[in-house]
This record gives sequence, C-alpha cells and structure tokens, in this order.
Amino acid sequence: QVQLQESGPGLVKPSETLSLTCTISGGSISSFYWSWIRQPPGKGLEWIAYVYYSGSTNYNPSLKSRVTISVDTSKNHFSLKLSSVTAADTAVYYCAKGSGSNVGDFDYWGQGTLVTVSS
Amino acid sequence: DIQMTQSPSSLSASVGDRVTITCRASQSISTYLNWYQHKPGKAPKLLIYAASSLQSGVPSRFSGSGSGTDFTLTISSLQPEDFATYYCQQSYSNPYTFGQGTKLEIK
Repeated sequence: QVQLQESGPGLVKPSETLSLTCTISGGSISSFYWSWIRQPPGKGLEWIAYVYYSGSTNYNPSLKSRVTISVDTSKNHFSLKLSSVTAADTAVYYCAKGSGSNVGDFDYWGQGTLVTVSS
Repeated sequence: DIQMTQSPSSLSASVGDRVTITCRASQSISTYLNWYQHKPGKAPKLLIYAASSLQSGVPSRFSGSGSGTDFTLTISSLQPEDFATYYCQQSYSNPYTFGQGTKLEIK
C-alpha cells in the first residue's frame, strides 16, 4: 500500500518561499506522476502541478510563475517550492499520486499539511 | 479553465438512504471525471474514476454515471462511515479542477 507524507514548515513569512516535500513509502516513485494540490481554509481544492519520475513537469497556469516542482528518485520523494507567498497561499497542501492510466486521476493522497503565511 | 459545479453543496440523509450528488462541467470532458471522499484530517480517497469505474477496494454501494458535461455519484444505501465531503474532479485538461464539494451529514 503506497503511503504519502508531506513535510515542511507550517509557518512561512509573506514574500518568502514555501518549501514542502512528499515522501513515498510502500512503493517506488518510478513510473508514475506525482502532484501537489492545495485547499485554502473554507475553499475548494486546487491542483498546483505534477512531476513525472523522469523529471518532466506540468503546472497550473495560474501559479506557474511562482511554482517549482521537482523529484529525487534516490530519496523516493518529490518537492514543491512556491515563491513570493502571500496570505492567499495559506492552505492545506496535499501530495498525491497519479494513477497508472491517467496522470490526473489521484489514487493515493497524503493527509495534508497546513501552511500558514503570516509575519 | 473548466469549471466544475456540484449540487447540492450540503445534504442531510439517514443511514440506509439512497443519495445522489450531481456534477456539471462547463464544457464536455467525455468521461474524464473522478469522485473523491474526504473526511476531516484524513487523506482524500478516490472512489470513482473515468466517470463510472469503481476504484479497487471501494464498496459497491458507490456508483457513478454520466458523460459529456453531466455526472452523478450515487450511494445506494448510506452507511455511517459514508458521512463525509464528496468532490468531483475533471482530469480532461490542465488545469485539473474540482467541484466545490458536497457535505453529506447525518439527519
């Protein structure tokens, strides 16, 4: 059973860079697509980006200028960086695995980590 | 972006009830439609993919239907563990987008 666990600071200052890591256990990061998804308090889910184990990426156009997603197969994890954060970036951040049949079908998710942007 | 609209936004029902949640896409997405169940503090769970395919391990009381722009999730006989928030999501095109959620509560 694949398990995903998000980790990173729970508090980030405005204008700084949010950095999160998703560690996969119970399976290999290889041969699948991996995504970040977020949910601001009281709002809906927003897909941020995905990365393939080979390193190819795809971003939500609304966030593309501020987001970098990367993968480290040696550590079986992938990461998210979101620059120039504001209070609007306060959210629960989830990592998720794309199914083998469609990158946009998220068959495993982490429990999420709350990141608050505040000075 | 493709907009996904769910209805209702909340629903009260009793154990044993049959429940239907609808999802409408702002343009045709064929059958690239998924349904998730989400409980507070837990990882969202994929229930239905490709509009009507049951994810492995998901009870058969869950079913999905639809194509094009209109989709439904049906729970045939509600169980206590089914009270949660349900989201639809299109995987047809970038950016992948979600409905606003339907909160299913105990009556």
